[in-house]
Amino acid sequence: DAGVIQSPRHEVTEMGQEVTLRCKPISGHNSLFWYRQTMMRGLELLIYFNNNVPIDDSGMPEDRFSAKMPNASFSTLKIQPSEPRDSAVYFCASSPPGQGIREKLFFGSGTQLSVL
Amino acid sequence: DQQVKQNSPSLSVQEGRISILNCDYTNSMFDYFLWYKKYPAEGPTFLISISSIKDKNEDGRFTVFLNKSAKHLSLHIVPSQPGDSAVYFCAASRSGNNRKLIWGLGTSLAVNP
Repeated sequence: DAGVIQSPRHEVTEMGQEVTLRCKPISGHNSLFWYRQTMMRGLELLIYFNNNVPIDDSGMPEDRFSAKMPNASFSTLKIQPSEPRDSAVYFCASSPPGQGIREKLFFGSGTQLSVL
Repeated sequence: DQQVKQNSPSLSVQEGRISILNCDYTNSMFDYFLWYKKYPAEGPTFLISISSIKDKNEDGRFTVFLNKSAKHLSLHIVPSQPGDSAVYFCAASRSGNNRKLIWGLGTSLAVNP
């Protein structure tokens, strides 16, 4: 039974480059969340979608970050241009219908992003 | 300003003994709390939750206690097993328009054989 699938697992890039992180939620789940984890700030919600529609993007740090969910089985988080302070682990999570933003989430294994 | 605080970055216990992980919160509007467990190189996995209408919730070896007056919750693991060694995150949310989870920084638990 496949869980949330994220790619790539690791990304090393140079400052100024575009970075695209990908996520495939669990089939049948209708909410998708992008989180960022850093040592200082812990897990922070960047944006979440419900039925492919962005509901709350107040956690997106700035205009360099954008997220899309073109269909129920795929989402991307893009950083353009990337900066060293964007280095973090980015998690995607999904949840099934009937469960909201604050209930049980199913997380992917994350993407470790390093911006040099 | 951390609204959810896990003041112990790490905890070490012997196998078979009780593990107690603590979490404090500052926002009295929080009414739902969750614990997640995270192994290295994996995402967090849901462990147990509790609503503010309860003061205790139990699931097998895991029990969460909520003290609303003290704005404190704790996770008890009895008996502790080496496989419980992981980072444990406390998270909280409130009802209403802004319901997103607010997370603590985590406590790393080591259960020694």
